[in-house]
Amino acid sequence: DQQVKQNSPSLSVQEGRISILNCDYTNSMFDYFLWYKKYPAEGPTFLISISSIKDKNEDGRFTVFLNKSAKHLSLHIVPSQPGDSAVYFCAASEDDGGGADGLTFGKGTHLIIQP
Amino acid sequence: NAGVTQTPKFQVLKTGQSMTLQCAQDMNHEYMSWYRQDPGMGLRLIHYSVGAGITDQGEVPNGYNVSRSTTEDFPLRLLSAAPSQTSVYFCASNPGWRNTEAFFGQGTRLTVV
Repeated sequence: DQQVKQNSPSLSVQEGRISILNCDYTNSMFDYFLWYKKYPAEGPTFLISISSIKDKNEDGRFTVFLNKSAKHLSLHIVPSQPGDSAVYFCAASEDDGGGADGLTFGKGTHLIIQP
Repeated sequence: NAGVTQTPKFQVLKTGQSMTLQCAQDMNHEYMSWYRQDPGMGLRLIHYSVGAGITDQGEVPNGYNVSRSTTEDFPLRLLSAAPSQTSVYFCASNPGWRNTEAFFGQGTRLTVV
């Protein structure tokens, strides 16, 4: 049972336009969400995060929106650049009261920026 | 800045062989973890550690052992490799137990034949 879902395996966007990557989750105990970017043959690199007490977090060209009632978050990249072409993973962390926990990842969305 | 270093980058094992994937971090992070990534899948947590001497199981721990004798090192041992363990393995470290971003190594691509 997948708790974090990225339903679009790939997304193609023109350079300079907005890229919107979506993520849905089913576990209401998730309270911290992160986006990672991954290039081939490299490890994931952290992009941006958001706590469940917020509904928006912005960092330069990247903005993450969280809609808790819909259990949905999205990553907006404006404007999209060729170097943004990568696989983007949505991840979530659960507060089970036990202290440390690992991350639950979605399957990823391959973003392709077209010149 | 080395960050998180994994060795080896590539490895081919025969079924039944054992080996250890090495992971070291130089950021003095308490929390470390191991993930595996299979084709078309997200990363799945194998084991994690919240500090030296403390480890716990993640989502897919079977067939793997870990230990944490120092803050810097978190090796992952495959006791008897199986083809189902063919995967890309990522080690990560976090500056805190919760609600902090994980820093990942470059990965170890393991093939079990």
